[in-house]
Parts: sequence; structure tokens; C-alpha cells
Amino acid sequence: AQSVTQLGSHVSVSEGALVLLRCNYSSSVPPYLFWYVQYPNQGLQLLLKYTTGATLVKGINGFEAEFKKSETSFHLTKPSAHMSDAAEYFCAVSPGGGFKTIFGAGTRLFVKA
Amino acid sequence: EPEVTQTPSHQVTQMGQEVILRCVPISNHLYFYWYRQILGQKVEFLVSFYNNEISEKSEIFDDQFSVERPDGSNFTLKIRSTKLEDSAMYFCASSDPRGNSYEQYFGPGTRLTVT
Repeated sequence: AQSVTQLGSHVSVSEGALVLLRCNYSSSVPPYLFWYVQYPNQGLQLLLKYTTGATLVKGINGFEAEFKKSETSFHLTKPSAHMSDAAEYFCAVSPGGGFKTIFGAGTRLFVKA
Repeated sequence: EPEVTQTPSHQVTQMGQEVILRCVPISNHLYFYWYRQILGQKVEFLVSFYNNEISEKSEIFDDQFSVERPDGSNFTLKIRSTKLEDSAMYFCASSDPRGNSYEQYFGPGTRLTVT
């Protein structure tokens, strides 16, 4: 079975500061991991994904995440926050194929001017 | 770039009424899904559909819910007798497990409000 834990329901950073959103997962099979962003009253936009291969994956808008199997983590980072990054971020895991995606509870990112 | 589309974007209905939410998945995809997100909560899996039958469903997907692929392009979610607690954003998704993407492509969602 798969599950996702996102540490911190709210994270606040200053503009220009490092963004770090934490995600830990559990999976009985090699996982496929995703980060999605959701802006208010909008749908889910894929930021980045890890399937196989390189463990450091780069996504859109300057975000990246590193898959660490030993720590069962897939934390999302961005070196310098922008006001437009303020949104809800969801970490998700799937065993792949046609199986369901399991989402974390989400982390709301606030960016202060 | 191909995308999943959903209609309507917002549906308001009275408790006890039937609603049908519609989705057009990406044309060459084989798996179809419905998820829901109650306001302020996480996205929850409802059901997956493959080869014209349900492949997996969650405990949320009870007898009040049904899915159908009535033609070669549409994928629908029907709620037979809506309850207040069915108010949520409903997302359709599709995927093509052939190849290496393993990604589910999500539609923009339908906001269902039950009054």
C-alpha cells in the first residue's frame, strides 16, 4: 500500500528565500512520485515527477525535488521564492501503470514581500 | 498539447437530485479516473476505469456513484441522489501506461455544489 505524509500544512517564506516543502512516502513497490501545484479555484498542475533514473528531478518554475530511497523522501525545493509561487502543493505517489495516485494532505505556501 | 477537459466547470444541484459530470480524456489514453477534493482537504481517489470496466474503487465510491464511457471520447461520473457532503471539486484524469511517463493528466475540475 502507498501513503504520503507532507510535513507542515502551512509554510511561510520571504520573497527570495529558499523554499523547502517536505514529503515522505511509503510504498510496497518502487514508487513513482509527483509534485502538483494548485492555485486557488484551479485544477492540478504537474510540477515534476520521478519515475526511474536520475534521483534529482527538475520541474517547471524553477522547482526541483530529490528522491532519497533510504529516507523515503521526495522533498520539493526552489532556491528563491517568488510571490507567484504562493499556492497549495501536493505530493503524490503511485505504483504506476493504471493504478490510483495517492495524494498527501497538501502544504500551503505563503510568500511574504 | 493534448489535455483533459471537463464540463461543466460549476454545477449547482439540490439534495436528492442526480448529476452527471462529464470528462473528455486524452484521446489515446487507456485508463480513466475520477478524484474528488472537498474544500480545504486533500485530493481523494474515487475510481479507475479500464477496458470498459471499473478496475479499482475506493470506499467513497458507493452505490450512489457510477461511471460510464458511453462513446469513444466521453467518460462520465453519475451521482444518483446527491447529498450535501457530495459538494466538492471533482477531477477527471487519464493515463497511458504504455511507455514510460506513468503520469496521470488531470482535467480542470468540476465544482459541484449541493444545496
